[in-house]
Amino acid sequence: EAGVAQSPRYKIIEKRQSVAFWCNPISGHATLYWYQQILGQGPKLLIQFQNNGVVDDSQLPKDRFSAERLKGVDSTLKIQPAKLEDSAVYLCASSLRGAGADTQYFGPGTRLTVL
Amino acid sequence: TQLLEQSPQFLSIQEGENLTVYCNSSSVFSSLQWYRQEPGEGPVLLVTVVTGGEVKKLKRLTFQFGDARKDSSLHITAAQPGDTGLYLCAASNDYKLSFGAGTTVTVRA
Repeated sequence: EAGVAQSPRYKIIEKRQSVAFWCNPISGHATLYWYQQILGQGPKLLIQFQNNGVVDDSQLPKDRFSAERLKGVDSTLKIQPAKLEDSAVYLCASSLRGAGADTQYFGPGTRLTVL
Repeated sequence: TQLLEQSPQFLSIQEGENLTVYCNSSSVFSSLQWYRQEPGEGPVLLVTVVTGGEVKKLKRLTFQFGDARKDSSLHITAAQPGDTGLYLCAASNDYKLSFGAGTTVTVRA
């Protein structure tokens, strides 16, 4: 079974530029998550989708971050414009149902460096 | 939002030694998960504990959930270099996972 795919794996941009990340979840998984992991910290949930609807985006900085999950499968996360403090690893995860104890499967992440 | 505190932040031991990492909160969890994350990879689930006082074993790893469901520990017996990684605990209520900052474990050969 293929895992969660993410691209690109690395991205370096200058502040105020835009960037987009892509995620393809495990086939059949209804729930998709985007996390931000700053160096030395645990992952922080940015947004959770159930199929193509948003369940939780309370920690998403909506003035600069946006995410969509068209057709309930792939998802993109965009930052526009980027700030220095956005430097982090962006992890995508998926789970079958989205219940709290449900197993989340993580992709390898995209490491973003903002200069 | 639950605040999970993990300790220690860093741990470096020799192969064959034992180690314990801790995860604590002032809040009660409905369930708690432990993950291991290797450099350049996403976290991988090791175990989920849901019952207060529960003990689960996974080969050389022993996971314990506190009776009051506010704390948990992970004990590794006879650590090996392959155990090196970032160990994260994550608490869940309803649909949301909240992660601790992790313990970086290095096992020297």
